[in-house]
Amino acid sequence: SQTIHQWPATLVQPVGSPLSLECTVEGTSNPNLYWYRQAAGRGLQLLFYSVGIGQISSEVPQNLSASRPQDRQFILSSKKLLLSDSGFYLCAWSIRGTGELFFGEGSRLTVL
Amino acid sequence: RKEVEQDPGPFNVPEGATVAFNCTYSNSASQSFFWYRQDCRKEPKLLMSVYSSGNEDGRFTAQLNRASQYISLLIRDSKLSDSATYLCVVNAGGYQKVTFGTGTKLQVIP
Repeated sequence: SQTIHQWPATLVQPVGSPLSLECTVEGTSNPNLYWYRQAAGRGLQLLFYSVGIGQISSEVPQNLSASRPQDRQFILSSKKLLLSDSGFYLCAWSIRGTGELFFGEGSRLTVL
Repeated sequence: RKEVEQDPGPFNVPEGATVAFNCTYSNSASQSFFWYRQDCRKEPKLLMSVYSSGNEDGRFTAQLNRASQYISLLIRDSKLSDSATYLCVVNAGGYQKVTFGTGTKLQVIP
């Protein structure tokens, strides 16, 4: 069966510090991968999606970046965090053509 | 107009009640539709897909109205464990992008 792992689960970072969130999927090949952010009391905002290794599409301009160095690995990064980057970050994967998403457990980021 | 709109609630209902949520979408070319459930501070989990002919899964019934561009979720015989936020999701296809509604919060009361 397919599983998705995301880490770290919780982190508190100072403004201006770097960020790296990692996500890996097991049990499937060539999935679509997504990074979403959910701010407190708000809906899910799509940040990045990827249809293959090295192929990243960004949905909103921001100080975040994403990379997909391997088929089942998706990384969210920032060189310098802002207060507004606080939120609940969710990695997800989908099987091509279905639109159904399967989420990791999320990473809760607080920027102070 | 938002791409996907939901009443945020909260819907406070007693155990055993029937409750229904609607979700409207703006893109008439949308191809697939889903309901997700999200517990507090947890990740969303797929509850059910929504098919054109309507579909049922136990106490849950989902329906699609393409003419009026909305989907609905009906929960019968509500349980305390049904308390959660229900997210409507619409996929317009293409680059496999999906759009989430902001969710409807349900609180089932003893």
